[in-house]
Amino acid sequence: EAGVAQSPRYKIIEKRQSVAFWCNPISGHATLYWYQQILGQGPKLLIQFQNNGVVDDSQLPKDRFSAERLKGVDSTLKIQPAKLEDSAVYLCASSDYELRFGELFFGEGSRLTVL
Amino acid sequence: AQSVAQPEDQVNVAEGNPLTVKCTYSVSGNPYLFWYVQYPNRGLQFLLKYITGDNLVKGSYGFEAEFNKSQTSFHLKKPSALVSDSALYFCARMNTGFQKLVFGTGTRLLVSP
Repeated sequence: EAGVAQSPRYKIIEKRQSVAFWCNPISGHATLYWYQQILGQGPKLLIQFQNNGVVDDSQLPKDRFSAERLKGVDSTLKIQPAKLEDSAVYLCASSDYELRFGELFFGEGSRLTVL
Repeated sequence: AQSVAQPEDQVNVAEGNPLTVKCTYSVSGNPYLFWYVQYPNRGLQFLLKYITGDNLVKGSYGFEAEFNKSQTSFHLKKPSALVSDSALYFCARMNTGFQKLVFGTGTRLLVSP
């Protein structure tokens, strides 16, 4: 079974530039999550999708962050414009909530450095 | 708010010795609790979970955790540590209703040869 795929693995940009991250979840997983993991902290949920609908985006800074999952499969997270404090690893995860409650499958993450 | 706390930033243990990584949870609602592990430059991996039933749950790689309601704790344990267990360990809690997994700040485990 293929895991959660994320790209790019690493990205360096200057502040005020834009960046986009892509995630392809495990086939058949209806729930998709984007987490932000700042160095030294635990992952923080940015947005959660159930199929192509948003379940929770309460901690997504909507003035600069956006995410979509148009066909209920892969997803894109965008930051525009980026700030220094956005430097973090962006983790995508997916789950089959009904069968495996709370068991999230994570990708390897996309590390963003904002200069 | 439903949350978890990991009081130790780092735990050091010698190979072959038992290890414990601590986690406590806030008393609010039903505590659905989880442990995840993160190896360097990798995503998080699920280790084990407590939903209901036996207080001692067993997971991957020989790890187990004990749910203690009176102490509001869910400590991760392993009888004999391996050098390869060295990683970052996260305790997490599922907030029911929104299916939202909230993570603690993490504990770095270092197992010395």
